[in-house]
Amino acid sequence: AQKITQTQPGMFVQEKEAVTLDCTYDTSDPSYGLFWYKQPSSGEMIFLIYQGSYDQQNATEGRYSLNFQKARKSANLVISASQLGDSAMYFCAMREGDFGNEKLTFGTGTRLTIIP
Amino acid sequence: GAVVSQHPSRVICKSGTSVKIECRSLDFQATTMFWYRQFPKQSLMLMATSNEGSKATYEQGVEKDKFLINHASLTLSTLTVTSAHPEDSSFYICSARERGRWGNTIYFGEGSWLTVV
Repeated sequence: AQKITQTQPGMFVQEKEAVTLDCTYDTSDPSYGLFWYKQPSSGEMIFLIYQGSYDQQNATEGRYSLNFQKARKSANLVISASQLGDSAMYFCAMREGDFGNEKLTFGTGTRLTIIP
Repeated sequence: GAVVSQHPSRVICKSGTSVKIECRSLDFQATTMFWYRQFPKQSLMLMATSNEGSKATYEQGVEKDKFLINHASLTLSTLTVTSAHPEDSSFYICSARERGRWGNTIYFGEGSWLTVV
């Protein structure tokens, strides 16, 4: 079974609009972490935002915010006021396990294209 | 910020030869390093997790004898693709967990493009 599910293979969004990228996860581990990364065509993984399973508030980092709904096991990324430079692949990832036996696995990604 | 350096960034090797990719944490100690493989337009597939001083834990379907992972020190892990074949051509990327810190302390290298001809 998929641990991380991203149901949107591609999205087209008008510049300056907000965009929500979906991510659902599956784990029985009470302690886990959720990450969002941006990957441009160069291949590097750019960290965007992190949410710990015990964090009470939704994470925010500038124009990025994470809509964490623990009971629904979803961790959607919201990008406000999208820019042309936001066009890239976006991956949701989940960290499970503890020191020494942790694992970081990725969803299939969403290709976001910002339209001028 | 924490930096992970991966070398080489691009490598071309002949079929049947072995190639080594290094993943080095430059300004922190990494107890755990993760190795991923990514085919074009696909996601990152976790190949193995290595903890300093112990054997790597490989994901199901990853050949241990073909993809040798060594994590001999707290700042260096290596991936050796042995007897490489054209189907091993891919983007390989590592990430490192900072020692003693939890949460958002996993840092990625720049990745290595391997082409086997």
